[in-house]
Amino acid sequence: GAVVSQHPSWVICKSGTSVKIECRSLDFQATTMFWYRQFPKQSLMLMATSNEGSKATYEQGVEKDKFLINHASLTLSTLTVTSAHPEDSSFYICSAQGGVDTQYFGPGTRLTVL
Amino acid sequence: KQEVTQIPAALSVPEGENLVLNCSFTDSAIYNLQWFRQDPGKGLTSLLLIQSSQREQTSGRLNASLDKSSGRSTLYIAASQPGDSATYLCAVANYGQNFVFGPGTRLSVLP
Repeated sequence: GAVVSQHPSWVICKSGTSVKIECRSLDFQATTMFWYRQFPKQSLMLMATSNEGSKATYEQGVEKDKFLINHASLTLSTLTVTSAHPEDSSFYICSAQGGVDTQYFGPGTRLTVL
Repeated sequence: KQEVTQIPAALSVPEGENLVLNCSFTDSAIYNLQWFRQDPGKGLTSLLLIQSSQREQTSGRLNASLDKSSGRSTLYIAASQPGDSATYLCAVANYGQNFVFGPGTRLSVLP
Protein backbone atom coordinates (compact mmCIF):
# COMPACT_ATOMS: atom_id res chain seq x y z
CA GLY A 1 0.00 0.00 0.00
CA ALA A 2 0.90 3.65 -0.18
CA VAL A 3 3.54 4.85 2.26
CA VAL A 4 3.91 8.19 3.93
CA SER A 5 7.05 8.99 5.87
CA GLN A 6 7.83 11.70 8.38
CA HIS A 7 11.18 13.01 9.41
CA PRO A 8 12.33 13.27 12.07
CA SER A 9 10.40 10.74 14.13
CA TRP A 10 11.27 12.66 17.25
CA VAL A 11 13.05 15.90 18.04
CA ILE A 12 14.08 17.77 21.14
CA CYS A 13 14.88 21.45 20.87
CA LYS A 14 15.45 24.50 23.00
CA SER A 15 12.80 27.13 23.49
CA GLY A 16 12.98 29.83 20.83
CA THR A 17 14.39 27.68 18.08
CA SER A 18 12.60 26.58 14.91
CA VAL A 19 11.94 23.00 13.96
CA LYS A 20 11.09 21.65 10.52
CA ILE A 21 9.12 18.43 10.06
CA GLU A 22 8.94 16.75 6.68
CA CYS A 23 6.10 14.66 5.32
CA ARG A 24 6.72 12.64 2.18
CA SER A 25 4.53 10.41 0.09
CA LEU A 26 6.93 7.74 -1.08
CA ASP A 27 5.15 6.02 -3.91
CA PHE A 28 2.33 8.28 -4.94
CA GLN A 29 1.64 11.91 -5.63
CA ALA A 30 -0.40 13.86 -3.16
CA THR A 31 -1.97 17.14 -4.13
CA THR A 32 -3.30 17.51 -0.61
CA MET A 33 -1.63 16.81 2.71
CA PHE A 34 -3.01 17.35 6.17
CA TRP A 35 -1.20 18.24 9.37
CA TYR A 36 -2.49 17.18 12.77
CA ARG A 37 -1.26 17.47 16.32
CA GLN A 38 -2.14 15.71 19.49
CA PHE A 39 -1.44 16.89 22.99
CA PRO A 40 -1.15 14.28 25.74
CA LYS A 41 -4.45 12.65 26.58
CA GLN A 42 -6.25 14.69 23.96
CA SER A 43 -7.64 13.78 20.61
CA LEU A 44 -5.88 14.29 17.33
CA MET A 45 -6.73 17.72 15.96
CA LEU A 46 -6.44 18.98 12.41
CA MET A 47 -4.12 21.96 12.15
CA ALA A 48 -4.06 22.76 8.47
CA THR A 49 -4.71 21.50 4.98
CA SER A 50 -1.81 21.82 2.59
CA ASN A 51 -2.35 21.96 -1.16
CA GLU A 52 0.52 21.69 -3.58
CA GLY A 53 1.45 25.03 -5.05
CA SER A 54 -0.90 27.12 -2.96
CA LYS A 55 -1.19 28.52 0.52
CA ALA A 56 -2.25 26.21 3.30
CA THR A 57 -5.63 26.51 4.93
CA TYR A 58 -5.40 26.73 8.70
CA GLU A 59 -7.99 25.64 11.22
CA GLN A 60 -9.37 28.15 13.65
CA GLY A 61 -7.00 28.82 16.50
CA VAL A 62 -3.87 27.71 14.65
CA GLU A 63 -1.37 30.53 14.09
CA LYS A 64 -0.27 30.51 10.48
CA ASP A 65 2.77 32.65 11.21
CA LYS A 66 3.94 30.22 13.85
CA PHE A 67 3.28 27.01 11.97
CA LEU A 68 4.65 27.52 8.48
CA ILE A 69 3.56 24.99 5.91
CA ASN A 70 5.18 24.54 2.54
CA HIS A 71 3.89 22.08 -0.03
CA ALA A 72 6.34 22.68 -2.82
CA SER A 73 6.00 19.38 -4.61
CA LEU A 74 3.50 16.56 -5.02
CA THR A 75 5.46 14.35 -2.66
CA LEU A 76 6.66 16.71 0.05
CA SER A 77 5.06 18.99 2.59
CA THR A 78 6.94 20.60 5.45
CA LEU A 79 5.73 22.02 8.74
CA THR A 80 8.03 24.49 10.47
CA VAL A 81 7.33 25.34 14.07
CA THR A 82 8.89 28.77 14.48
CA SER A 83 10.17 30.06 17.82
CA ALA A 84 9.02 26.90 19.53
CA HIS A 85 7.97 26.99 23.16
CA PRO A 86 7.28 24.22 25.65
CA GLU A 87 3.55 24.47 25.00
CA ASP A 88 4.25 23.46 21.39
CA SER A 89 5.48 20.08 22.60
CA SER A 90 3.16 17.63 20.95
CA PHE A 91 2.81 14.75 18.55
CA TYR A 92 2.56 15.96 14.96
CA ILE A 93 1.19 13.65 12.29
CA CYS A 94 0.62 14.21 8.61
CA SER A 95 -1.52 12.46 6.09
CA ALA A 96 -1.39 12.51 2.32
CA GLN A 97 -4.36 12.21 0.09
CA GLY A 98 -3.75 9.64 -2.61
CA GLY A 99 -7.15 9.61 -4.19
CA VAL A 100 -10.57 11.22 -3.96
CA ASP A 101 -11.18 10.01 -0.45
CA THR A 102 -8.15 7.94 0.51
CA GLN A 103 -5.71 9.26 3.04
CA TYR A 104 -2.49 7.67 4.14
CA PHE A 105 -0.95 8.61 7.44
CA GLY A 106 2.62 9.17 8.42
CA PRO A 107 4.03 7.63 11.61
CA GLY A 108 4.15 10.95 13.40
CA THR A 109 6.82 13.20 14.91
CA ARG A 110 7.22 13.70 18.62
CA LEU A 111 8.36 17.26 19.39
CA THR A 112 9.66 18.16 22.82
CA VAL A 113 10.58 21.77 23.48
CA LEU A 114 12.72 22.35 26.55
CA LYS B 1 3.32 -5.29 16.08
CA GLN B 2 -0.08 -3.68 16.53
CA GLU B 3 -2.63 -4.43 13.84
CA VAL B 4 -6.03 -2.82 13.62
CA THR B 5 -8.92 -4.17 11.62
CA GLN B 6 -12.39 -2.81 11.05
CA ILE B 7 -15.55 -4.54 9.96
CA PRO B 8 -17.55 -4.14 7.91
CA ALA B 9 -15.50 -2.48 5.20
CA ALA B 10 -18.64 -0.83 3.89
CA LEU B 11 -22.15 -0.43 5.17
CA SER B 12 -25.29 0.97 3.62
CA VAL B 13 -28.36 1.57 5.76
CA PRO B 14 -31.65 3.44 5.47
CA GLU B 15 -32.04 6.64 7.41
CA GLY B 16 -33.12 6.20 11.01
CA GLU B 17 -31.43 2.89 11.68
CA ASN B 18 -29.13 2.30 14.61
CA LEU B 19 -25.82 0.81 13.59
CA VAL B 20 -22.59 -0.58 15.02
CA LEU B 21 -19.10 -0.31 13.61
CA ASN B 22 -16.43 -2.67 14.88
CA CYS B 23 -12.73 -2.22 15.48
CA SER B 24 -10.29 -4.91 16.60
CA PHE B 25 -6.66 -4.61 17.64
CA THR B 26 -4.07 -7.26 18.37
CA ASP B 27 -2.03 -5.69 21.18
CA SER B 28 -4.07 -4.76 24.23
CA ALA B 29 -1.30 -2.58 25.69
CA ILE B 30 -2.75 0.57 24.26
CA TYR B 31 -2.61 4.16 25.45
CA ASN B 32 -5.91 5.21 23.96
CA LEU B 33 -8.27 4.53 21.11
CA GLN B 34 -9.92 7.11 18.90
CA TRP B 35 -12.70 7.11 16.39
CA PHE B 36 -12.49 9.53 13.51
CA ARG B 37 -14.74 10.56 10.69
CA GLN B 38 -13.31 11.22 7.27
CA ASP B 39 -15.27 13.02 4.57
CA PRO B 40 -14.04 12.82 0.96
CA GLY B 41 -11.27 15.30 0.33
CA LYS B 42 -11.28 16.53 3.91
CA GLY B 43 -9.08 16.04 6.93
CA LEU B 44 -10.00 13.83 9.83
CA THR B 45 -12.59 14.84 12.37
CA SER B 46 -12.11 13.37 15.79
CA LEU B 47 -15.32 11.86 17.16
CA LEU B 48 -14.50 10.13 20.42
CA LEU B 49 -11.39 9.45 22.43
CA ILE B 50 -11.29 6.61 24.93
CA GLN B 51 -8.39 6.36 27.33
CA SER B 52 -7.11 2.90 28.18
CA SER B 53 -8.65 3.14 31.65
CA GLN B 54 -12.11 3.96 30.31
CA ARG B 55 -14.78 1.63 28.98
CA GLU B 56 -16.91 4.00 26.95
CA GLN B 57 -17.44 7.55 25.79
CA THR B 58 -20.57 9.23 24.52
CA SER B 59 -21.16 12.28 22.38
CA GLY B 60 -24.64 13.02 21.13
CA ARG B 61 -25.84 10.10 19.03
CA LEU B 62 -22.46 8.42 19.20
CA ASN B 63 -21.28 5.93 21.77
CA ALA B 64 -17.94 4.18 21.69
CA SER B 65 -16.98 1.28 23.90
CA LEU B 66 -13.61 -0.25 24.64
CA ASP B 67 -12.80 -3.76 25.80
CA LYS B 68 -9.03 -3.91 26.09
CA SER B 69 -8.87 -7.53 27.19
CA SER B 70 -10.59 -8.72 24.04
CA GLY B 71 -8.99 -6.10 21.81
CA ARG B 72 -12.25 -4.61 20.62
CA SER B 73 -14.01 -1.32 20.30
CA THR B 74 -17.40 -0.53 18.87
CA LEU B 75 -18.87 2.70 17.63
CA TYR B 76 -22.63 2.88 17.97
CA ILE B 77 -24.53 5.44 15.94
CA ALA B 78 -28.13 5.99 16.91
CA ALA B 79 -30.85 7.17 14.55
CA SER B 80 -28.55 7.48 11.57
CA GLN B 81 -28.89 10.42 9.18
CA PRO B 82 -27.70 10.99 5.60
CA GLY B 83 -25.21 13.49 6.98
CA ASP B 84 -23.53 10.63 8.82
CA SER B 85 -22.32 9.22 5.50
CA ALA B 86 -18.53 9.14 5.63
CA THR B 87 -15.62 6.83 6.31
CA TYR B 88 -15.12 6.02 9.97
CA LEU B 89 -11.61 5.27 11.15
CA CYS B 90 -10.49 3.62 14.33
CA ALA B 91 -6.98 4.47 15.52
CA VAL B 92 -5.02 2.91 18.36
CA ALA B 93 -2.21 4.70 20.13
CA ASN B 94 0.44 2.57 21.75
CA TYR B 95 2.41 3.79 24.73
CA GLY B 96 5.02 5.16 22.38
CA GLN B 97 2.24 7.31 20.99
CA ASN B 98 2.66 5.86 17.54
CA PHE B 99 -0.67 5.63 15.82
CA VAL B 100 -2.00 2.57 14.06
CA PHE B 101 -5.10 3.21 12.04
CA GLY B 102 -7.67 0.72 10.87
CA PRO B 103 -8.65 0.61 7.21
CA GLY B 104 -11.97 2.29 7.89
CA THR B 105 -15.63 1.55 7.38
CA ARG B 106 -17.37 3.40 4.58
CA LEU B 107 -20.89 4.27 5.71
CA SER B 108 -23.73 5.34 3.46
CA VAL B 109 -27.00 6.40 5.01
CA LEU B 110 -29.75 6.50 2.45
CA PRO B 111 -32.54 9.06 2.73
